[in-house]
Amino acid sequence: QLQLQESGPGLVQPSETLSLTCTVSGGSVSTNNYYWGWIRQPPGKGLEWIGNIVYSGSTYYNPSLKSRVTISLDTSKNQCSLNLSSVTAADTAVYFCARRRAGDSGLEDWGQGTQVTVSS
Amino acid sequence: QSALTQPASVSGSPGQSISISCTGTSSDVGRYNSVSWYQQHPGKAPKLIIYDVTNRPSGVSNRFSGSKSANTASLTISGLQAEDEADYYCNSYTTGSTWVFGGGTKLTVL
Repeated sequence: QLQLQESGPGLVQPSETLSLTCTVSGGSVSTNNYYWGWIRQPPGKGLEWIGNIVYSGSTYYNPSLKSRVTISLDTSKNQCSLNLSSVTAADTAVYFCARRRAGDSGLEDWGQGTQVTVSS
Repeated sequence: QSALTQPASVSGSPGQSISISCTGTSSDVGRYNSVSWYQQHPGKAPKLIIYDVTNRPSGVSNRFSGSKSANTASLTISGLQAEDEADYYCNSYTTGSTWVFGGGTKLTVL
């Protein structure tokens, strides 16, 4: 049974870097069979795709966030990480990690999400 | 990259059928058969209910079905039940190897 668990600071200062980790259990990030991604949801609003990464190292980012986003894999810890720099209040959201099978369009597994607030 | 267009809300009575549209462009919905749908209850993570336009994951009720015509994908829920009340989101692959969500639709079961 695959489980994804997001973790990281719940409060980030404006202009700082938001750093989150998604720990994977019951599966491995060291496979090109799946893409690992991040999605966020501002309070009371819809879902926004942030980006994906695959084991081979290829990354794909939302064009509107591309200049500020980095997604990486730590195979030794079986984790996927998200860094979002120069944050503002507009980056306040619940952040989800999710897994998509290569060749399919569905995000079949999701973490429970973690709330991040950007405020001084 | 603009969000796909969904109606803000739809409603139906128990037992009825409803459809939710998801309109994109020739660069996303119209170009690829890579449209998925998600159900989200308040405070919960989204759940995949349709992928690759028409496919249902194992365990998802056959009351949920998907289709696509030109730049518009649709989710149909038949035999509405109270538990179907939730937010629904579509998602599509786009040119440039990126993905885009719809704005979401709130389904109310009357």
